[in-house]
Amino acid sequence: ETGVTQTPRHLVMGMTNKKSLKCEQHLGHNAMYWYKQSAKKPLELMFVYSLEERVENNSVPSRFSPECPNSSHLFLHLHTLQPEDSALYLCASSAHAGGAVNEQFFGPGTRLTVL
Amino acid sequence: AQSVTQLDSQVPVFEEAPVELRCNYSSSVSVYLFWYVQYPNQGLQLLLKYLSGSTLVKGINGFEAEFNKSQTSFHLRKPSVHISDTAEYFCAVIRDSSYKLIFGSGTRLLVRP
Repeated sequence: ETGVTQTPRHLVMGMTNKKSLKCEQHLGHNAMYWYKQSAKKPLELMFVYSLEERVENNSVPSRFSPECPNSSHLFLHLHTLQPEDSALYLCASSAHAGGAVNEQFFGPGTRLTVL
Repeated sequence: AQSVTQLDSQVPVFEEAPVELRCNYSSSVSVYLFWYVQYPNQGLQLLLKYLSGSTLVKGINGFEAEFNKSQTSFHLRKPSVHISDTAEYFCAVIRDSSYKLIFGSGTRLLVRP
């Protein structure tokens, strides 16, 4: 595998379910990001991790819980979601967190549908 | 706070025609500018970026963009498009030392034969 991978690619869940999204980067980067891409809205940054430490939480509801066990893996744990949480969730990584010189490389995303 | 405006939600164009996708930004501090492309069912891929230096930036796939500070614009251009350029294009800005890329709402480029 190369670049940034995400699993699953598609997920359908009920509002009472608990599920997790997984992201893995094979680039040797130290920073990882979660973004939400909703229809007709700009991408929104959700979380940023640098060397497994969360450095940014962009006012995300607690029903989204990130986890970064090491610099190559990032999870987004989901519970008690709402239908408006249906979106494409994109993971990205960069050599270091933040700044213009640290290009972010994106995964293909997980298409989440909440029923 | 920074913001990015992409006025055109969709731009239809015939193959081999030139195209310009517009991007305007607002910011009270210096920012750096990016264009990303998203092909169907894929993540975002960096097309080009402006950090400093020449205001005309060349990117991949024959795209280029010009940074215009006085007009706070960073329009993307290609002199001759291909069917394979059909995708969603996103303009984004970031402040140095910030974690947050601020994206526009995207422009769907639809290239017709």
